[in-house]
Amino acid sequence: GQQLNQSPQSMFIQEGEDVSMNCTSSSIFNTWLWYKQEPGEGPVLLIALYKAGELTSNGRLTAQFGITRKDSFLNISASIPSDVGIYFCAGQQGEGAQKLVFGQGTRLTINP
Amino acid sequence: EAQVTQNPRYLITVTGKKLTVTCSQNMNHEYMSWYRQDPGLGLRQIYYSMNVEVTDKGDVPEGYKVSRKEKRNFPLILESPSPNQTSLYFCASRTDRLRGKLFFGSGTQLSVL
Repeated sequence: GQQLNQSPQSMFIQEGEDVSMNCTSSSIFNTWLWYKQEPGEGPVLLIALYKAGELTSNGRLTAQFGITRKDSFLNISASIPSDVGIYFCAGQQGEGAQKLVFGQGTRLTINP
Repeated sequence: EAQVTQNPRYLITVTGKKLTVTCSQNMNHEYMSWYRQDPGLGLRQIYYSMNVEVTDKGDVPEGYKVSRKEKRNFPLILESPSPNQTSLYFCASRTDRLRGKLFFGSGTQLSVL
């Protein structure tokens, strides 16, 4: 099945640093989403993007829907310990398409 | 509280012993889905259901069955589990109106010996 290419696979940073991760595909998507998974829990939606070029923020998190519709980026500014977790990008291709395709995840570790 | 509830959270079983993982949502969502999470592979869809009595295969359906007899419940059935089905499983649901916005359960860690 189709999968998104998410990078980096893992990040080890100091508290206070900014974080960037991205997701790319060979196919066009009309919806991009970013989820966060904390230990022992299911993924939780952070940001949803519906238009090419769209830039959306949720607190210290900012995500962008790439102009080509084949990629998306997530930035976290001034990281704090509670940002630790696995971040997943996900894409959906059509209005009526029922399948959400996920990236492999980016595991974020923060040194206090 | 709006939620997706999976049971059990942890399950250890032996090869060939049939098991069922239950999933229930209290949000009246039409769409429900099962995913498995494996290191380095992210989340892969097993089966999904667009409404009662409507189910379809995802990317990795082999070895699994599902049913959707009621809107709120979507159990995952492993008729004859094998070690390669050892994984972390998630049930998720959404309403048709919220494109892509899935609500996930807390997961079921399954080990097949």
